[in-house]
Amino acid sequence: GQSLEQPSEVTAVEGAIVQINCTYQTSGFYGLSWYQQHDGGAPTFLSYNALDGLEETGRFSSFLSRSDSYGYLLLQELQMKDSASYFCAVGRDSSYKLIFGSGTRLLVRP
Amino acid sequence: EAQVTQNPRYLITVTGKKLTVTCSQNMNHEYMSWYRQDPGLGLRQIYYSMNVEVTDKGDVPEGYKVSRKEKRNFPLILESPSPNQTSLYFCASSRISGNTIYFGEGSWLTVV
Repeated sequence: GQSLEQPSEVTAVEGAIVQINCTYQTSGFYGLSWYQQHDGGAPTFLSYNALDGLEETGRFSSFLSRSDSYGYLLLQELQMKDSASYFCAVGRDSSYKLIFGSGTRLLVRP
Repeated sequence: EAQVTQNPRYLITVTGKKLTVTCSQNMNHEYMSWYRQDPGLGLRQIYYSMNVEVTDKGDVPEGYKVSRKEKRNFPLILESPSPNQTSLYFCASSRISGNTIYFGEGSWLTVV
């Protein structure tokens, strides 16, 4: 079958670093993406990994290990505005047939 | 401003009454897709389109139809809505060569 697993909730303190893990099981793997969604808002794209390794975009980094079917999103210097849900998604057979995880709700405390 | 526009944003309808949710993008993107989002289930892909007149099923296509007659528009059609189609729907688009997918603001649909 096809599935993605990520923690349902994570709590962290402002200024800290948090890592959100995502493990996946799918045929025809075609990249791992991360999206942020604030309550009542639309998902917004954060990052994409097609190959193993770390991709860095400002305070956010994303990592992929295809051999372990595993990736993570790393958020540094957490800010209150980072409180949101974060979804990992994998492309199945193409980067356009996407399967999303059920999301991780991040709460950043002062 | 680059955007994906959905209409209506909110709709309450009755079982069996056909409805269409429109989606339009102004970025000349080839790829467009529809998702539904339900609590605890994340986003699930309904249909997607790689270009005009090219559409394919996602994971949950039952009860939905789409068409892609123009590049900018990708309407979602519910021929005979049922209560289990009550959900938050998102339209999305991207370039074929890109990995960044842009989402619309969402359409809340309630079928009673």
